[in-house]
Amino acid sequence: EAGVTQFPSHSVIEKGQTVTLRCDPISGHDNLYWYRRVMGKEIKFLLHFVKESKQDESGMPNNRFLAERTGGTYSTLKVQPAELEDSGVYFCASSHGLAAYNEQFFGPGTRLTVL
Amino acid sequence: LAKTTQPISMDSYEGQEVNITCSHNNIATNDYITWYQQFPSQGPRFIIQGYKTKVTNEVASLFIPADRKSSTLSLPRVSLSDTAVYYCLVAEMDSSYKLIFGSGTRLLVRP
Repeated sequence: EAGVTQFPSHSVIEKGQTVTLRCDPISGHDNLYWYRRVMGKEIKFLLHFVKESKQDESGMPNNRFLAERTGGTYSTLKVQPAELEDSGVYFCASSHGLAAYNEQFFGPGTRLTVL
Repeated sequence: LAKTTQPISMDSYEGQEVNITCSHNNIATNDYITWYQQFPSQGPRFIIQGYKTKVTNEVASLFIPADRKSSTLSLPRVSLSDTAVYYCLVAEMDSSYKLIFGSGTRLLVRP
C-alpha cells in the first residue's frame, strides 16, 4: 500500500512569489491534515479536511494560505504571496477514521524556502 | 487542551532499554495518549497509542498509570536506528482530532 506522498520535496522561491504544495493521501482515507514546522518551532496544525470539506481551519496563519481538496482525493496548499516567515517544512497526514485513536499517516514533507 | 511535557533529550547505548516519560496533567477523560517517532527529513511515524494501563506492540510498550497524568514509552534493546525524536501527544478532542506536537525528546543511541 502506498503511503502519503507530497510534492515537491523541496521548493525554493523568492518573497512575493506563489507556491503550491501537493499531498496525495493514502487511498480511501477521508481525513487529510496539513501541518507545518517553521524554523526552530514545533510542528503545528494548519487544517483538516474530511473528504472535500474543510472541517477545521483554525491553524491557518493568514489569508495568504489557501487549501483545497477537490473531489476528496489529493489536496493542494497554495501560499500567495510567500513571505520569509513561511519557510519551513509542510507535512501532510491522512487517516481512515475520525477518532482520537485513529493513526495519522504522515508524508515526508515539503521543505519550503522563501528567499 | 492537554499540554505534554517530556525531556528535551536522552542518551543511551545500543542494547539498553530506554524509558521516556511524558506528563500530561490536564488530560481529558476521552483523550488517548499517542507516541510518534520522527527521523530526520521524514514525517512523524506512529509508534503506539493507549488509553490506560499497558499497551505493547512489536516496537514498544506504553505504560499509563491509573490517574493518566503521565505515560512512559519503553523501547526495549535500542539500536542505532532508534536515534530519532519521540513525541508524546494527546489528540485534540474536538471535531478534528488534530495532533498537538510538543518539542519532543531527542534520543541519541550510541554504539
